[in-house]
Amino acid sequence: DTAVSQTPKYLVTQMGNDKSIKCEQNLGHDTMYWYKQDSKKFLKIMFSYNNKELIINETVPNRFSPKSPDKAHLNLHINSLELGDSAVYFCASSRWTGLPNSGNTIYFGEGSWLTVV
Amino acid sequence: QKEVEQNSGPLSVPEGAIASLNCTYSDRVSQSFFWYRQYSGKSPELIMSIYSNGDKEDGRFTAQLNKASQYVSLLIRDSQPSDSATYLCAVNIRDNAGNMLTFGGGTRLMVKP
Repeated sequence: DTAVSQTPKYLVTQMGNDKSIKCEQNLGHDTMYWYKQDSKKFLKIMFSYNNKELIINETVPNRFSPKSPDKAHLNLHINSLELGDSAVYFCASSRWTGLPNSGNTIYFGEGSWLTVV
Repeated sequence: QKEVEQNSGPLSVPEGAIASLNCTYSDRVSQSFFWYRQYSGKSPELIMSIYSNGDKEDGRFTAQLNKASQYVSLLIRDSQPSDSATYLCAVNIRDNAGNMLTFGGGTRLMVKP
């Protein structure tokens, strides 16, 4: 079973559309994340949720709205898509929030390739 | 100034050689350091973590940390073609309640048979 799964894996859409990416983890972790990886491979955190509560919001446009219905799910909704939103979006989870250490590894999903045309 | 810097490469080494990947970071209070491997089109996978100065060995991988110089490296001994991937250095930059890793841009390693 995949530990962190996200759908869809590939998404091609037109500018101005609204789209969602879903993420689920079956690791029993309390903390989930969304990361964005651009074409230059830089992986940047967007959001962090702990037990359904927003912990970190890293200067992401408010067209991006995460939703966590329960601690095992963290979905990402994007309104009015722009060309610059094209990237790979990775969902991730860790056991708890706080400093990463050997017991608090971050596990990544397989990524969702978003292309805005 | 970027918070975590890596040479983007590609770093090309022959099979069986030692590959040396380097990373510098800007925040002196960083406490946790990680190396992730990312194959093309795949998700990052944690391969090494290091928290104190010195060397940490795990199989063919050795992580080296020098907090005074704000430098962390990864050595891969007996490099194999299957090691060809992008290696991402990640550092916990902020000492806050959030589990935030800041990633470098990655170094692409190519191991030639």
